[in-house]
Amino acid sequence: QVHLVESGGGVVQPGRSLRLSCVASGFTFRSYGMHWVRQAPGKGLEWVAVISYDGSEKYYGDSVKGRFTISRENSKNTLFLQMNSLRVEDTAVYYCASVLIRGVILDAFGFWGQGTMVTVSS
Amino acid sequence: SYELTQPLSVSVALGQTARITCEGNNIKNKDVHWYQWKPGQAPVLVMFRESTRPSGIPERFSGSASENTAALTINAAQVGDEADYYCQVWDSTTVVFGGGTKVTVL
Repeated sequence: QVHLVESGGGVVQPGRSLRLSCVASGFTFRSYGMHWVRQAPGKGLEWVAVISYDGSEKYYGDSVKGRFTISRENSKNTLFLQMNSLRVEDTAVYYCASVLIRGVILDAFGFWGQGTMVTVSS
Repeated sequence: SYELTQPLSVSVALGQTARITCEGNNIKNKDVHWYQWKPGQAPVLVMFRESTRPSGIPERFSGSASENTAALTINAAQVGDEADYYCQVWDSTTVVFGGGTKVTVL
């Protein structure tokens, strides 16, 4: 059974940094692209970033480009999101999700985690 | 940037048919995916590439697309189908989500 468990959320001041993690189990993590998606309170889904199965390709949403970095450590089945220069508008629940088909990026989201809350406030 | 427009809400009587639309320019030329999101649970893929059901998704769910509108149809709607539904496409190397539709089963 596929499990994606996010961690690392919390309350942080504007301008500070935070690193999220997502530990995967139940599938061959190293073969699948992975995403971060967020949902601000009362809002819809906003895509944050995607990374290919081997880390060679990374793409970002416009609102986080230049501030957030997605990475992965396949030996530990773990996905990361380094968030720098955080803004109040980055407040959201952050979800990691796998790509549906192994080896590709431009496809549907297969499985999702339960999310971790990030609150940016002074 | 590419945009997807969904109705905020759709109501359906128990056992009847709900149709959730997702409008986008020339959406027929894109792969459209649909997700079901219930409060407190992780989202679930219910339709991918317009009309393909993942394993475990009931046949009551179907998908379609015309030139500028994609649709997710739920036949014989059940109370368990109450959820938010999001459509999603790729626009070049960017993921685009619709704003989401809340489905209420009356």
